[in-house]
Amino acid sequence: NAGVTQTPKFRILKIGQSMTLQCAQDMNHNYMYWYRQDPGMGLKLIYYSVGAGITDKGEVPNGYNVSRSTTEYFPLRLELAAPSQTSVYFCASSRDRLNIQYFGAGTRLSVL
Amino acid sequence: GQQLNQSPQSMFIQEGEDVSMNCTSSSIFNTWLWYKQDPGEGPVLLIALYKAGELTSNGRLTAQFGITRKDSFLNISASIPSDVGIYFCAGYYSGTYKYIFGTGTRLKVLA
Repeated sequence: NAGVTQTPKFRILKIGQSMTLQCAQDMNHNYMYWYRQDPGMGLKLIYYSVGAGITDKGEVPNGYNVSRSTTEYFPLRLELAAPSQTSVYFCASSRDRLNIQYFGAGTRLSVL
Repeated sequence: GQQLNQSPQSMFIQEGEDVSMNCTSSSIFNTWLWYKQDPGEGPVLLIALYKAGELTSNGRLTAQFGITRKDSFLNISASIPSDVGIYFCAGYYSGTYKYIFGTGTRLKVLA
C-alpha cells in the first residue's frame, strides 16, 4: 500500500524560481493537507482541502497556492521562492475531519 | 497561529528507563493524537484518543486523554534505542477542519 506519496524528496531552488510539490494518496481520502516543518518546530498548516474542487487556507498560506482537481492529487505551488520558504513540507490525508491523518515522507526544500 | 505546549522539548535517557511527556492547551479538544517522527521521515501515528479520561496502550506506549480535555500524556516504558525520534501531539477541537500540532519532544536514548 503506497498511502501518501510526495515528490520530489529533495529540491534546491534559487530565489524567485517556482516549483510544484506533488502529493498523491491512494486511500480515497476526502481530506488532504499541506504542512511545513521548520527546524526544531512543529507542523504548521499551509492549505487544506475537504474534497475535489474545495480548498482553504491554513495558518501560513502566503507565498503558496494549491489546487484539488481530483481526490487523489493535491499539489502545492510556490510561485516566487524566497529563503523563508526553506523548510520540510509534508502532505497528509484523512478520511474525514475527525479521522487520523496519514503523512507522506516529506519534501526537503532549500531556497538559496 | 495556535500551537500546543509540549514538554519536555528534549530529553536524554538511558536504555531501559521509562519516559513521560505531555501536551497542554488552553482549548478543549475532542481528539488527541500522538505521532512519532523518525529522522528524515514523515510522522507516523502511534495512538489516538477520543474520550476524556481514555487510557490507551500500543505495546510499550501508553497515552491518556486528560480529564479536563486540555491535556494529554504519553508514556514509554523500558525505552530502547529505536525509540529515538521526535514525538508530536496533535489536538482536534470542534468546529475546525484541522489538527493543531505540538512543537515536539525530541527523545534520545543512550545505550
